[in-house]
Amino acid sequence: EAQVTQNPRYLITVTGKKLTVTCSQNMNHEYMSWYRQDPGLGLRQIYYSMNVEVTDKGDVPEGYKVSRKEKRNFPLILESPSPNQTSLYFCASSFVRDNTYEQYFGPGTRLTVT
Amino acid sequence: LAKTTQPISMDSYEGQEVNITCSHNNIATNDYITWYQQFPSQGPRFIIQGYKTKVTNEVASLFIPADRKSSTLSLPRVSLSDTAVYYCLVGERGHTPLVFGKGTRLSVIA
Repeated sequence: EAQVTQNPRYLITVTGKKLTVTCSQNMNHEYMSWYRQDPGLGLRQIYYSMNVEVTDKGDVPEGYKVSRKEKRNFPLILESPSPNQTSLYFCASSFVRDNTYEQYFGPGTRLTVT
Repeated sequence: LAKTTQPISMDSYEGQEVNITCSHNNIATNDYITWYQQFPSQGPRFIIQGYKTKVTNEVASLFIPADRKSSTLSLPRVSLSDTAVYYCLVGERGHTPLVFGKGTRLSVIA
């Protein structure tokens, strides 16, 4: 089944404790990205990657890191999480179907930083 | 990226056709119009994409007038399961970052 998977789905952590949220897609998509969603602010892009070893900042990259060593994986790293990074995070990959470009989103990771 | 304006919320009864209009006055020549649907605590799901005139797929239709300064997503005969937030996005087609606005919260009532 074609899908984007994220792990963990839920995470509660403390300020300053490094964490990684994994994202994997099995559709051989070149483009992947990370978004965060907060009430009243909608979805905002954090980082994106056009291909392996190619990453770039989105709208809200501060406090986050990413890597793209393999085409299928695009982990999101929080080196020193802070409470303002409490949010719902989505990973997405992009593909073309019937001459349209679609972004396919994962199920989300709900992160709470205390 | 063109800014979009949508109604914040809409209500509809089951079985009715729902039309959600999006305004994008400064749409550029290369921009496409795309709609996504999002249920609570789930990732957005692609609905439809178009450039001009009318596009139809198995779940919705997208109407785009000649000046392209607005677009209308049409959902035929909605059901309770169509209750969701609907986002209108405008931008160049391709593997580009998506810019989501506030969306339209559609509530379908039995």
